Amino acid sequence: EVQLVESGGGLVQPGGSLRLSCVTYGFNFDDYEMNWVRQIPGKGLEWVADVSMSGRTTYYADSVRGRFIISRDNAKKSLYLEMNNLRVEDTAIYYCVKSFSFHFDSWGQGALVTVSS
Amino acid sequence: SSVLTQPPSVSVAPGQTARISCGGDNIGARGVEGVHWYQQKPGQAPVLVVYDDSDRPSGVPERFSGSKSGNLAALTISRVEAGDEADYFCQVWETYNNRANWVFGGGTKLTVL
Repeated sequence: EVQLVESGGGLVQPGGSLRLSCVTYGFNFDDYEMNWVRQIPGKGLEWVADVSMSGRTTYYADSVRGRFIISRDNAKKSLYLEMNNLRVEDTAIYYCVKSFSFHFDSWGQGALVTVSS
Repeated sequence: SSVLTQPPSVSVAPGQTARISCGGDNIGARGVEGVHWYQQKPGQAPVLVVYDDSDRPSGVPERFSGSKSGNLAALTISRVEAGDEADYFCQVWETYNNRANWVFGGGTKLTVL
């Protein structure tokens, strides 16, 4: 069974940093691109970042490019999101997501990030 | 980048058919690789229910079907049940400014009367 388990969420002040982690189970991690998708509670979904199977290629939404860094450790079957210079509007639930052929086929339960003074 | 437009809400009686639309100028264009649909129940993560316009993952009931014509995609739920009440999101992948980009519609709340 595929499982994705996020950790590292919490409360941070504007301008601060936070690192999310996602450990995965039940599939060959290095055979799939991985993504982060976020959702303001009660609102819609927003794609945040993508990393290739090798980790060498990354893509970012315009709203986070230059502030967030997505990375992976295939040996640890883990995905990461380093979030810097956080803004109030970055407050959201962040989902670790496995992608396949342009869609997202498995989602974690999410980690809540709150940016507030 | 693409903008995907969904109706904010759809209401249907149990046993009837619900149709949720997803419109966008680029849906039918080359470089937009299919339309995908997700169901999200309160307090839960989204779940894929239709991918590549009309394919269903294993475990998703045949009552869920997808279609696309021109710049409009649709998710149809036949014989609606109370348990289908949820938010539904469409999604496409595109290239934008020579970069990969994943786009979601704003979501539709399905209410079962």
